[in-house]
Order: sequence, then C-alpha cells, then structure tokens
Amino acid sequence: NAGVTQTPKFRVLKTGQSMTLLCAQDMNHEYMYWYRQDPGMGLRLIHYSVGEGTTAKGEVPDGYNVSRLKKQNFLLGLESAAPSQTSVYFCASSLRGDAQFFGPGTRLTVL
Amino acid sequence: AQSVTQPDIHITVSEGASLELRCNYSYGATPYLFWYVQSPGQGLQLLLKYFSGDTLVQGIKGFEAEFKRSQSSFNLRKPSVHWSDAAEYFCAVGLRSGGYNKLIFGAGTRLAVHP
Repeated sequence: NAGVTQTPKFRVLKTGQSMTLLCAQDMNHEYMYWYRQDPGMGLRLIHYSVGEGTTAKGEVPDGYNVSRLKKQNFLLGLESAAPSQTSVYFCASSLRGDAQFFGPGTRLTVL
Repeated sequence: AQSVTQPDIHITVSEGASLELRCNYSYGATPYLFWYVQSPGQGLQLLLKYFSGDTLVQGIKGFEAEFKRSQSSFNLRKPSVHWSDAAEYFCAVGLRSGGYNKLIFGAGTRLAVHP
C-alpha cells in the first residue's frame, strides 16, 4: 500500500515549457487535491476533484489545468511555465473529503 | 473570510522540555481542525484531527491538541519533546465549501530542538 505517490520528484523547466505532474493513490479515495507550497504561505489549493471525471478550481488555479480520467490518478498540467510557478507541489487525497493524506511532493523550478 | 493563524514562525525548545504550538482560526461555525507535521523534504503527515466530541484530542507521536471554542483555538502540545520532533507544523481548518471539504492552512511553525 503505497498511499499517495507523485512523479517526478524534481523538475527544472525553462519559461514557456509545458509539463504534467502525476499523482496516484491506491486507497480508493474519492477526493483528490493539488496544492502548492511557498515559503511563509502554507499550502494553497490549486485544483481539486470530488470524483472520477470531475475537477474544480481552488484558490490559485491560474496557469494550471487538471484531469481526473481515472479515480486513482490526478494530473496537474502547466501549459506555459512561468518563474512564478517555481514551488513545491503536493498532491493529497481523502476518502470522504475530511482528513487528507499527502504525497511526498514535487519540487519544480522554472528558469 | 476564513483564516488560520499560527502566531509563532519559529520556536526552539530543549530536548525533554514541554511544547505548545498555537493555532487560532476565524470561522463562523465549528470547523474540522487538523494538525500536520512536515519533516524536511517530506510531505505532510496527519498528527491528529478534531471533528466533534471530546475537546482534547490525542494524536500520533505523543501529541495532543485541545479545542477551545471560546478562544477559537486549537493548540498542539507535547509534554516532552524529542530531537526527532524537529520539523514544521501546520494547523488547518476544514470547512464545507461548494460540495467538498476545503482545508485552509496556517503558514506553519518551524520547531527546532536543542540537545
């Protein structure tokens, strides 16, 4: 039982490049979330999903897109990366939308 | 607007000393309350949660937290800190918003432990 996994762990992009972050959970959770963590700001919600095939915007959705084609996977895409998107990205999942379980994070640097 | 405040950005304690990390929230109703811990380079691990009932909640690693409605607080405590407790601690409020439970995090408190 791996819990929540994220790939890749690290990535460096140039401004304007695109990439996709993958989150996978093996706990059969309905809810999945993408956060970004920046120094002194805690975690901020980017997008979330309340079930397969559904997605919705969180606090800071601009510049990101998501997809939840399978219940166990939640993808976060950056179509045209900007330096302001340099951050650590965390995925989380929860069974009923209560306690959330987090992945190990992806450290993204945009040059 | 809902918010979570952790007044202490950094705290340093000696190993074996007691610990209290403060958390205050702003929300009209009784929210769900959580404490998470993050070790360097790691994800967040759930320490404990409060949904309802007994206001003193026990968690993992010897931590406990007390919900005080009158003070809108949910402070985290540990009677005797171990060096391995050095980490960053996040308080979070869960509230119902648009059909899902949204978590609002505080900015975190970084704990250092002196030997």
